[in-house]
Amino acid sequence: GAGVSQSPRYKVAKRGQDVALRCDPISGHVSLFWYQQALGQGPEFLTYFQNEAQLDKSGLPSDRFFAERPEGSVSTLKIQRTQQEDSAVYLCASSLLWDTQYFGPGTRLTVL
Amino acid sequence: ELKVEQNPLFLSMQEGKNYTIYCNYSTTSDRLYWYRQDPGKSLESLFVLLSNGAVKQEGRLMASLDTKARLSTLHITAAVHDLSATYFCAVYPNFGNEKLTFGTGTRLTIIP
Repeated sequence: GAGVSQSPRYKVAKRGQDVALRCDPISGHVSLFWYQQALGQGPEFLTYFQNEAQLDKSGLPSDRFFAERPEGSVSTLKIQRTQQEDSAVYLCASSLLWDTQYFGPGTRLTVL
Repeated sequence: ELKVEQNPLFLSMQEGKNYTIYCNYSTTSDRLYWYRQDPGKSLESLFVLLSNGAVKQEGRLMASLDTKARLSTLHITAAVHDLSATYFCAVYPNFGNEKLTFGTGTRLTIIP
């Protein structure tokens, strides 16, 4: 079946612009996760949802970062007033409850 | 705060040789995952280890877990070129939270 999809795959933003990154999880997956991966590093947790409830957002780096999953399926990660340090790959993953997380291809964000 | 460390960070080995990657974590955990990441690609799930003494094998890769030592190993037998990738271990911090904490990654290069 279809895996986790993310769009756009690549995004270039000027410093100060707002961006929105989309994640379509595997159908039926309850849990959805966002991670940030800097070049040469492991993924770092940002936030996660069970259905539409955001259960942990402790990894969001600042109040410029906001995530939502209003209907318990598709999720959007929004970054306001982007800064150069926001440049990274943003990975989305989904899973059945307490099960293996399956990752999407990621969105590579470059802030100029 | 849960910390996950891998060593070595970089590993260059010849085809046909055996080697082991180590993953140490700092607090008790319910489960541990191994993922593979090819350059520019997303993460692919390899193994999930759920209990002390668990061992999983797939082809030339074998993973094991010692929860008392807070240590997992990924053993590579008779390496072949297509195993070249970055390998991450990832740990759940405790029951009640699904977020994964990833290790630093081991970049494996198999030389013909």
